[in-house]
Amino acid sequence: SQELEQSPQSLIVQEGKNLTINCTSSKTLYGLYWYKQKYGEGLIFLMMLQKGGEEKSHEKITAKLDEKKQQSSLHITASQPSHAGIYLCGAAPSGNQFYFGTGTSLTVIP
Amino acid sequence: GAGVSQSPRYKVAKRGQDVALRCDPISGHVSLFWYQQALGQGPEFLTYFQNEAQLDKSGLPSDRFFAERPEGSVSTLKIQRTQQEDSAVYLCASSLGVGVGAEAFFGQGTRLTVV
Repeated sequence: SQELEQSPQSLIVQEGKNLTINCTSSKTLYGLYWYKQKYGEGLIFLMMLQKGGEEKSHEKITAKLDEKKQQSSLHITASQPSHAGIYLCGAAPSGNQFYFGTGTSLTVIP
Repeated sequence: GAGVSQSPRYKVAKRGQDVALRCDPISGHVSLFWYQQALGQGPEFLTYFQNEAQLDKSGLPSDRFFAERPEGSVSTLKIQRTQQEDSAVYLCASSLGVGVGAEAFFGQGTRLTVV
């Protein structure tokens, strides 16, 4: 089965600081998805990466998929309290299953 | 509705009680997924439907868990004889296409607490 490990498990940053969350796969990724989850709510889709070396940005969030397609990083520039939540990476299915990473809890202190 | 709707939002069950969790996917979405999310963990796959057909139920943790989607729209996840380890948030997602991808939309989840 696909295993996705995220690091760090939790992160506390001061507002305005940059931060990076990593997602490492045990297998080659054929698609990597980033989701955000606020406590008590469902998952919100952020972005999807498919090609090795691909990089996408949305507002102050940038995600990259490395050339070997086994690791992705999510970078937030000038963090804000609204960025707080749990960030989950997910792997595209081989078959019908869709796997999620272990999650990274982000706290932004005003 | 505009999004995936799950009900109830919160459910407290006594150990041994049966529960039923409902998911209303976005109209017209072919794929429907159920996930179980324990506190502090990422969502774990339970089962997948393509229309009314349950194509993958490999993630269901025991035969006490049963899911159905009889008309290819609303889905119900039933848990019989609930145990404390069943306490978790149960998430439902739907997708217009086959499988999960950029099109997947998640409901807000049902938080089940077994006491």
